[in-house]
Amino acid sequence: DQQVKQNSPSLSVQEGRISILNCDYTNSMFDYFLWYKKYPAEGPTFLISISSIKDKNEDGRFTVFLNKSAKHLSLHIVPSQPGDSAVYFCAASDDYKLSFGAGTTVTVRA
Amino acid sequence: EAGVAQSPRYKIIEKRQSVAFWCNPISGHATLYWYQQILGQGPKLLIQFQNNGVVDDSQLPKDRFSAERLKGVDSTLKIQPAKLEDSAVYLCASTRTEQETQYFGPGTRLLVL
Repeated sequence: DQQVKQNSPSLSVQEGRISILNCDYTNSMFDYFLWYKKYPAEGPTFLISISSIKDKNEDGRFTVFLNKSAKHLSLHIVPSQPGDSAVYFCAASDDYKLSFGAGTTVTVRA
Repeated sequence: EAGVAQSPRYKIIEKRQSVAFWCNPISGHATLYWYQQILGQGPKLLIQFQNNGVVDDSQLPKDRFSAERLKGVDSTLKIQPAKLEDSAVYLCASTRTEQETQYFGPGTRLLVL
């Protein structure tokens, strides 16, 4: 039973443009959401998070939006850079236990 | 600050063999996690330790998987006997407390033939 879903396995975007990654969840007990970034042969690294009491959190080029009524969150990267090419995992926390989506592979084209 | 260390990085075994993975968390991190990431899926929690005690092992297949963290620092995860479906990347993560962001190691990629 997959509680966190990333329905787009891949995304290709031109350098300088916006990347939008989407994530849906089913468990209404999730109270904290995170995005992790993963390069090949490395472990996931924390990117940005948002509490369920907020609807937006921004950190430099990265912004996460949360729509609780739709059980949907998104990650915006603007402008996209070549170093952003990686796999992005959406994760949700229930009592500090993380459930992960399957990931979206982002490729930034020069 | 050194990150989470894992070894080996890669392992190839035949089914029914046994295998062990090692993890050394970031110094001072009391909480340690083992995750299994099957190709095309996100990481799935197998077991969580708080110091040397198990907090959650509800998703650990206990008939073949075992894990320990005897001195509350490094940890080992063992599979015995391995099955083909155990082929995956095994990730270790640690935090100072479970409320904090998890830091992941590079993982051990296991291939069972």
